[in-house]
Amino acid sequence: DAGVTQSPTHLIKTRGQQVTLRCSPKSGHDTVSWYQQALGQGPQFIFQYYEEEERQRGNFPDRFSGHQFPNYSSELNVNALLLGDSALYLCASSLWGQGSYQPQHFGDGTRLSIL
Amino acid sequence: AQSVTQLDSQVPVFEEAPVELRCNYSSSVSVYLFWYVQYPNQGLQLLLKYLSGSTLVESINGFEAEFNKSQTSFHLRKPSVHISDTAEYFCAVSDYSSNTGKLIFGQGTTLQVKP
Repeated sequence: DAGVTQSPTHLIKTRGQQVTLRCSPKSGHDTVSWYQQALGQGPQFIFQYYEEEERQRGNFPDRFSGHQFPNYSSELNVNALLLGDSALYLCASSLWGQGSYQPQHFGDGTRLSIL
Repeated sequence: AQSVTQLDSQVPVFEEAPVELRCNYSSSVSVYLFWYVQYPNQGLQLLLKYLSGSTLVESINGFEAEFNKSQTSFHLRKPSVHISDTAEYFCAVSDYSSNTGKLIFGQGTTLQVKP
């Protein structure tokens, strides 16, 4: 049973560039959430996708956007990268309709470094 | 709005000693409570959760946490730690009525188990 997989594992970009991170949810899950974890901090919710639509969004600027595909996989796009975007980006999957009752399953993350 | 405060950023402890990692939360609505563990260069793994019922919840590897509604706390304890317990621990809450399962995390506590 495949868990949540993320790619790439590590990524180095420069300020002003654009980046795309990818996530495949755990088998049987249909909802994908993205979190940003800065060094020494707890993860912060970016947004969540279900049925190819953004369902909820955290306090992140419009430079952060996403997409969900019919196979439930998802992408996180960040434009005009800033030094402060350096972080571990975590993807979590779950089953819509279970609400908060069931825990989210996390991938190992993509480590993004901005130079 | 909800928030989570982990009262200790680092907890050093000797092997086989007991440990407590403290977590307090603030919320105007009912919440579910979680503890996640993060080993180096990995994503988050669910350690235990409180959804309802008994206020004392246990994990398979000897950790336990007690939900205290009056003190809005969900402290994590283990009577005897092992070197392998060295990791980052995150307390999180989720809105009871939310359909999305969005998690609000604390800042994390680094548990350092010394031989």
